[in-house]
Amino acid sequence: DAGVIQSPRHEVTEMGQEVTLRCKPISGHNSLFWYRQTMMRGLELLIYFNNNVPIDDSGMPEDRFSAKMPNASFSTLKIQPSEPRDSAVYFCASSLAPGGQPQHFGDGTRLSIL
Amino acid sequence: QKEVEQNSGPLSVPEGAIASLNCTYSDRGSQSFFWYRQYSGKSPELIMFIYSNGDKEDGRFTAQLNKASQYVSLLIRDSQPSDSATYLCAVNKDDMRFGAGTRLTVKP
Repeated sequence: DAGVIQSPRHEVTEMGQEVTLRCKPISGHNSLFWYRQTMMRGLELLIYFNNNVPIDDSGMPEDRFSAKMPNASFSTLKIQPSEPRDSAVYFCASSLAPGGQPQHFGDGTRLSIL
Repeated sequence: QKEVEQNSGPLSVPEGAIASLNCTYSDRGSQSFFWYRQYSGKSPELIMFIYSNGDKEDGRFTAQLNKASQYVSLLIRDSQPSDSATYLCAVNKDDMRFGAGTRLTVKP
């Protein structure tokens, strides 16, 4: 079975540009999570969805960040406008349920904002 | 107080030794506990999960949970250089909260 698929793997762009990260969860998984990882702050939960509905977006750093899950097989994380401090690795993960179940991670998107 | 705390390390052990990784958590209502391994430049990979007090063994790995002490640990027996990685403790109640990770180095 295919795991969680993220695209792009790497993104380099100039500050002020819009960035869109994409994620396809494992088929049958009802919960999807977006994380950001940096050396300074470790792995931070940004937002998670259950059955395509955003449940907790308290980790989204500011209004420049938005996430959508239009259907069970696709989610996006958008940053507009991007800033250098947004540079990080962004992971998407999915699980069968939001609580109590292991999460399976995608390979991540390494984002660099110049 | 951080929700999930781990010693950042680095923890260095010789090949063949037992590596002991520790984690404490603040929310007494936490119900599920996970250990992930993350190699440099890679994504976290689930290696163990435990829900009940006591020990759970899987090959060379043993997870230990003590809910009264809000403590979970991971033991790696017969450590190998390929075990060198960062180990992330994760605690789940309504959502998953990760510790900062402990970097383990196994020296040949």
